[in-house]
Amino acid sequence: GEDVEQSLFLSVREGDSSVINCTYTDSSSTYLYWYKQEPGAGLQLLTYIFSNMDMKQDQRLTVLLNKKDKHLSLRIADTQTGDSAIYFCAEKPGANNLFFGTGTRLTVIP
Amino acid sequence: KAGVTQTPRYLIKTRGQQVTLSCSPISGHRSVSWYQQTPGQGLQFLFEYFSETQRNKGNFPGRFSGRQFSNSRSEMNVSTLELGDSALYLCASSSPQGSDTQYFGPGTRLTVL
Repeated sequence: GEDVEQSLFLSVREGDSSVINCTYTDSSSTYLYWYKQEPGAGLQLLTYIFSNMDMKQDQRLTVLLNKKDKHLSLRIADTQTGDSAIYFCAEKPGANNLFFGTGTRLTVIP
Repeated sequence: KAGVTQTPRYLIKTRGQQVTLSCSPISGHRSVSWYQQTPGQGLQFLFEYFSETQRNKGNFPGRFSGRQFSNSRSEMNVSTLELGDSALYLCASSSPQGSDTQYFGPGTRLTVL
């Protein structure tokens, strides 16, 4: 089955860049997604990338996709304390269901 | 546009009872998916409904069921509750165009005592 892996924790200082990494298994995934979850809340869509793209930039967010290595990353520029949350990557291999990684807890140190 | 709404936000039940959770998708979205989130298993797909039909199903026992109405609103039901069913249940809706991006509601926190 699908196995999406992420490191569990990341700490950065306010103002630095954060890079959250993800590896996925299904090369047929058409889209790959990044979601953010704050305490007690649902999942907020941050961005997504189509599998035939290498990079996508959206304001402070940059997504890089290495399809050969099945590696996805999310870079947050100028990280703020409000960015502290759990970040999930997800793949959608075919049918309309998402397979999520374990989530990376980002802590921003003031 | 209003986002995905879920009711109730919190529920406390006892073992053996049953529970029904409700989800209203974003206006115009016809697909509704349900996920279970627990600390141990993470986020797991339960099922997806599209045009009142279950289109896709995850690996959960038959105690978990759902349905979708003609206005795309969806309900999920869990019968004979077990302690392990305690979780955050998330609903997501998507439009069958382009990226099929799923937009999530705030979730229903179910506690089984």
